[in-house]
Amino acid sequence: DAKTTQPPSMDCAEGRAANLPCNHSTISGNEYVYWYRQIHSQGPQYIIHGLKNNETNEMASLIITEDRKSSTLILPHATLRDTAVYYCIVRNGTYKYIFGTGTRLKVLA
Amino acid sequence: GAVVSQHPSWVICKSGTSVKIECRSLDFQATTMFWYRQFPKQSLMLMATSNEGSKATYEQGVEKDKFLINHASLTLSTLTVTSAHPEDSSFYICSAASGRGTDTQYFGPGTRLTVL
Repeated sequence: DAKTTQPPSMDCAEGRAANLPCNHSTISGNEYVYWYRQIHSQGPQYIIHGLKNNETNEMASLIITEDRKSSTLILPHATLRDTAVYYCIVRNGTYKYIFGTGTRLKVLA
Repeated sequence: GAVVSQHPSWVICKSGTSVKIECRSLDFQATTMFWYRQFPKQSLMLMATSNEGSKATYEQGVEKDKFLINHASLTLSTLTVTSAHPEDSSFYICSAASGRGTDTQYFGPGTRLTVL
């Protein structure tokens, strides 16, 4: 399974875009990139996923580089409620997720 | 859509007793369910994968006789921690996937187990 590398923590001002990077340089062609977030003492919440193309939904945008070795999750207008640990996961056909250490995002008022 | 529930949300038990945690997919059929545990300030660690009607597949280092998993229907999986000890105290989280296509896992809210 491809490993992911994320910065341990980031701060973002409320109302600004939060850009969370993820490196997955060993990703293979059929592996999807998933993003989840976990607010303290809750189960992870699905945000978005993609294979090759950029994706957007009501929560966020996912930008995947052309070589697929990295991606960026964008929260367009961060709010205090977006403070959480964000996990980038690369998933292969077995459906198993291997969680890394994630990025602790703190949105500042 | 894609709601997963867990029961109980928290439980306190005495050392040596067994505890059962239920995981339900409320609005979809889950061919595959997963069980994770999470210690304070750590990431989620996959314990086992269960497919409806078959035996669970445990990750390396997870004792299958201690953590009994049953996935008897397409909407219910249970994790039983047998003869619990204080070191089993943790946050247990399940997830469910419908088993079709790209298949996203949807997570339950978690169960906090404290063993005294």
